[in-house]
Amino acid sequence: QSVLTQPPSASETPGQRVTISCSGSSSNIGSNDVHWHQQFPGTAPKLLIYRNDQRPSGVPDRFSGSKSGTSASLAISGLRSEDEADYYCAAWDHSLSGVIFGGGTKLTVL
Amino acid sequence: VQLQESGPGLVKPSETLSLTCTVSGDSINSYYWSWIRQPPGKGLEWIAHIYYSGNTNFNPSLKSRVTISVDTSKNQFSLKLNSVTAADTAVYYCARAPHYYLTDGGWFAPWGQGILVTVSS
Repeated sequence: QSVLTQPPSASETPGQRVTISCSGSSSNIGSNDVHWHQQFPGTAPKLLIYRNDQRPSGVPDRFSGSKSGTSASLAISGLRSEDEADYYCAAWDHSLSGVIFGGGTKLTVL
Repeated sequence: VQLQESGPGLVKPSETLSLTCTVSGDSINSYYWSWIRQPPGKGLEWIAHIYYSGNTNFNPSLKSRVTISVDTSKNQFSLKLNSVTAADTAVYYCARAPHYYLTDGGWFAPWGQGILVTVSS
């Protein structure tokens, strides 16, 4: 069982906006930054958002991240079929002295 | 920057899994360097990381079985996981963690392509 909690699935139609939540605690999200990774089937994950809301070069501004308290969210606007993938949040946990991942959210573009 | 995992794709139960990650396009003399795995059809699990200076942190659930090391002369870092069982069957990824603070843990870029390691007799 993951220390960070994500919904196992999400879905939305093309052009719409979808948000994926990531819930933690004071020992992880509450005190450290959150990062998001995107993974397509059969491929390695790729960094999507770092330090809560920063986009690496090349990531479209349709992707945005936010954090409040012990929760974080990834928002995708103007949804496209190619956004269909698994999304994982990650953070440092002080209590475990290690990196923890959310269980992942499978996004389906209807 | 590119990372490439290498090692046996098949390991027998109770033996030691050994993987190497070769880094190109960046010096391993900076940042953290991590190992992460993903069992078939499941989510990501962080295994361990090593700081360029040699400091290490481990997933508590794997700590007793894991060794991580860095070879700066070859620009490589390695993972050893002993006493493996079928539960250790997974795609193993190496990744650069481009930060200097533990509190940035979870920030990985880039990732290697991954290597499937199957534990079976």
